[in-house]
Amino acid sequence: AQKITQTQPGMFVQEKEAVTLDCTYDTSDPSYGLFWYKQPSSGEMIFLIYQGSYDQQNATEGRYSLNFQKARKSANLVISASQLGDSAMYFCAMSPRIGAGSYQLTFGKGTKLSVIP
Amino acid sequence: GAVVSQHPSRVICKSGTSVKIECRSLDFQATTMFWYRQFPKQSLMLMATSNEGSKATYEQGVEKDKFLINHASLTLSTLTVTSAHPEDSSFYICSARDREGDAFYGYTFGSGTRLTVV
Repeated sequence: AQKITQTQPGMFVQEKEAVTLDCTYDTSDPSYGLFWYKQPSSGEMIFLIYQGSYDQQNATEGRYSLNFQKARKSANLVISASQLGDSAMYFCAMSPRIGAGSYQLTFGKGTKLSVIP
Repeated sequence: GAVVSQHPSRVICKSGTSVKIECRSLDFQATTMFWYRQFPKQSLMLMATSNEGSKATYEQGVEKDKFLINHASLTLSTLTVTSAHPEDSSFYICSARDREGDAFYGYTFGSGTRLTVV
C-alpha cells in the first residue's frame, strides 16, 4: 500500500519569495512515480511536476522544482518567485511505476498555499 | 497534450433522481479511467477504476449499485449517481490513463463536476 503525508494544512508566502511544500511518502513498490498537482478554486487538477524513483536528478519545471530525497522518502515541492496566481491547494501524489495493476494515484491531504501581496 | 472533457461542470438535481457524468478522452485512448470524489477542503478519494470493456473495480465502502460506471469505449466513461441524496453532493472528477503512456504522461484529469442534490 502507498501512503502520502502532507503535514502543512496551510502555508503563507510573500509574493516573489520562495516556498517549500512538504511531502513524505511510504511504499513497498520498488519503482514509483511522484507527482505534484495544483488545484485552484475552480477545481481542475493542474499537473506541475513529476519525479521517477530512479531518476538521478531532481525534476524541475520552470518555477517548480522537486526536492527528492529517496532515503528520507520525501518529495518536497519548491516554488520560486511566488506569484498571486499560485494561491491554491497543492497535492502530492504517487503511483506505482511498473508492474501489473491499475497505476492509480494516491493523494496526500493537500496544502493550501496563500500568496500575500 | 492529452485532454479529458468532463460534463456537466455543475449540476443541481432533486433528491431521488439520477445524474450522469461523462468523461471523454479527446485525443488519446483511455484504457483506464479513475473516478474520484472530493468533499470540500479534503483530498481526492478514489471511488472506482474502470477498464474499457470490463466491469469497474470499486474501492471499499463505495456502493457499486449507487455509483454506476460504464466504460464502453476507449474514449468514453460515464458515472451515474442513482437515486441521489443530499449526502451525495460533492465534487466528482475523472482521470484517464493513456493507453501507451508512461507514468509521466499517464494521468489526465477532467475539469470536474460539482453535484448538488437538493
